[in-house]
Parts: sequence; structure tokens; C-alpha cells
Amino acid sequence: GENVEQHPSTLSVQEGDSAVIKCTYSDSASNYFPWYKQELGKRPQLIIDIRSNVGEKKDQRIAVTLNKTAKHFSLHITETQPEDSAVYFCAAETGGFKTIFGAGTRLFVKA
Amino acid sequence: KAGVTQTPRYLIKTRGQQVTLSCSPISGHRSVSWYQQTPGQGLQFLFEYFSETQRNKGNFPGRFSGRQFSNSRSEMNVSTLELGDSALYLCASSLALGEDGYTFGSGTRLTVV
Repeated sequence: GENVEQHPSTLSVQEGDSAVIKCTYSDSASNYFPWYKQELGKRPQLIIDIRSNVGEKKDQRIAVTLNKTAKHFSLHITETQPEDSAVYFCAAETGGFKTIFGAGTRLFVKA
Repeated sequence: KAGVTQTPRYLIKTRGQQVTLSCSPISGHRSVSWYQQTPGQGLQFLFEYFSETQRNKGNFPGRFSGRQFSNSRSEMNVSTLELGDSALYLCASSLALGEDGYTFGSGTRLTVV
């Protein structure tokens, strides 16, 4: 069935280091891959997205890459800051327009 | 502009009761999706509505139902509540179906005792 796997479940980095979160999806018809950040006690917020006709997209310290052949996509955060600490969810929109989320990655940035 | 509004913010219900949650999307957004969030299960898809029609449904029992009105506002209903239904229920709206990111509401935290 439709599935999105996300790794790692927990990631701890030192302030200033980079963080990478990886996801794989099962529906080859998926064409849209958003990423959401959820801070403690708050709602998930869209931080970046990528469509299948693009291999990479960057927005300041955040970048996403997509490998459609391998059905992989990743979130890269450079120069991490304490305010980056949150739970990050990847998602894939299936061919039927249903958005399936990964299980989430809890990122800790140590000052 | 106003964001996605969910009411109520908190609910405590007894097993066996039913509950109705409400979601008002961002003005102009026609797609509304509902998710259940629990610590162990992440964000589980419940259903999605577009133009008053249910377009997609997740793997939840028939006790979970929803609808969308002509003004795009949506409600979800859970009947015969079980302890395991305790969760944060999030509503998200988007402009249209397909390749469009969500704006989430703050959620309704349901506790079943």
C-alpha cells in the first residue's frame, strides 16, 4: 500500500552542524513532496516542498533533494541553530491526491 | 488573512459518546483534510474533502465520518468513542487538490475517559 518511511526517528546535532533527514515513498505516481516542521505544542508548518520535475530546491539554510528513480527524497539543514529543534515530517502526495506523512524525525540542536 | 480555525480546542468525552469537530479553512481554500496525531503513530490520514465531496479516505473504521459544506467548512464526527480515540485531530486546508501544501489548524485535543 501507500507508505512513506522516514529516518532517523531522532537526530541530535551540535549547533552549526548540518542535519539530514531521509524519506522513501512507495507510490511511483507521487509527484509532490512537502516537508513540515512542528515545534512543541504547535501546529505543523510547511517549510519547503519539491515537485517531481525538479531534483533539488533550496531556501536559505534548507534544501530538499529528490531521486524519483530510487523514490528517495531528503531534507538538508545547514548551519543548524537551536530554533531548528522540532519534529520534521516528510510527506508524499499519492497519485490519488492523498498526502501520506512519514513518522517524523525529532531534531535536537545542542547549543 | 485568517488561518485555519478548529473548534473546540479541547474536549473530554466518555467512552461510548459521540463527538463533532469543526474546521473552517482559509478563505478561498476548497480542500480540507483531517489527520489524527498521536505520539506513537504520527500523522494518520483520515479523509479529504473537496467541493463538498469526499475524495480520499484513510484506514479508519466507519465510526469516523466527515462532511464539507458549500462554504468549504468541514466537520468530522466520531461515534461510539473508544479510549484509543484520544488524540490531537488536525485539520488542514489547501487551495485545491494536488501539489499544494497544507496550512494546518491548531487542532482539537480529544480525551476519551
